[in-house]
Amino acid sequence: GAVVSQHPSWVICKSGTSVKIECRSLDFQATTMFWYRQFPKQSLMLMATSNEGSKATYEQGVEKDKFLINHASLTLSTLTVTSAHPEDSSFYICSATGLPPAETQYFGPGTRLLVL
Amino acid sequence: GQSLEQPSEVTAVEGAIVQINCTYQTSGFYGLSWYQQHDGGAPTFLSYNALDGLEETGRFSSFLSRSDSYGYLLLQELQMKDSASYFCAVPSGGSYIPTFGRGTSLIVHP
Repeated sequence: GAVVSQHPSWVICKSGTSVKIECRSLDFQATTMFWYRQFPKQSLMLMATSNEGSKATYEQGVEKDKFLINHASLTLSTLTVTSAHPEDSSFYICSATGLPPAETQYFGPGTRLLVL
Repeated sequence: GQSLEQPSEVTAVEGAIVQINCTYQTSGFYGLSWYQQHDGGAPTFLSYNALDGLEETGRFSSFLSRSDSYGYLLLQELQMKDSASYFCAVPSGGSYIPTFGRGTSLIVHP
C-alpha cells in the first residue's frame, strides 16, 4: 500500500509556457497532500499544503499565482507552474498523508522540470 | 519555528555500523521521522518515533530521546546500496506540516 504517483516524470519546456504536474494517491485516500521543490544537493523545500476541496496553504515566499494548486479529490492534486522561467527548473515532489501513522509522508517519484 | 540539525556527510565501509544524529527544536512535537533519498529519486519513508526508545526494522534502527530533543538513525551491516541522503523530519500543526533537516549524505565505500 501507500503508492503515490506523479506525472509526468520529466518535462522540458520553453520559457513562458505553463506546466501541469499531477500527483495521485493510488491505493489510499490522502488526507493532505504536500508539494515540494528540491534543488541539487539541497533539502526539500515545502511549497504548499493542500487539502481536498479547500484552497492550498502556501509557504512564505512561494507565489500562489505562479504555482497554482488544485486538489480536486482525495486522490488527486495538481501543481501548475504558470509562465515558467529557467529559474523554475527544479525537482518537484509531492507527498501525501492518510495512512497511519498519521504523520508519515508517502512521496511520489518526483517530476524534473527543465525550462529553456 | 522549527529547525533540525544533522551532519552533512558521513562515510563508512561496507559491513560497518553508522549512526546519523539529528537534533531538533520545535514548538510542538509529534514525533521524529527518517527518510532515505537516493540520487535522482524521491524520498522514501524509513521510520517514525513518537515515543522514547529504539525502534528496530531490519538493518535500520531509529532512536528518540524527547527530553534531549535528539534522535538518531542507526544503519547496520552497511551495503553499497545504502549510499544515499538521509533526512530527519518533524511534523507539526493540524496537518502535520513537516520540516526537514538539510540531509546527511552517507557514502559507503567497499
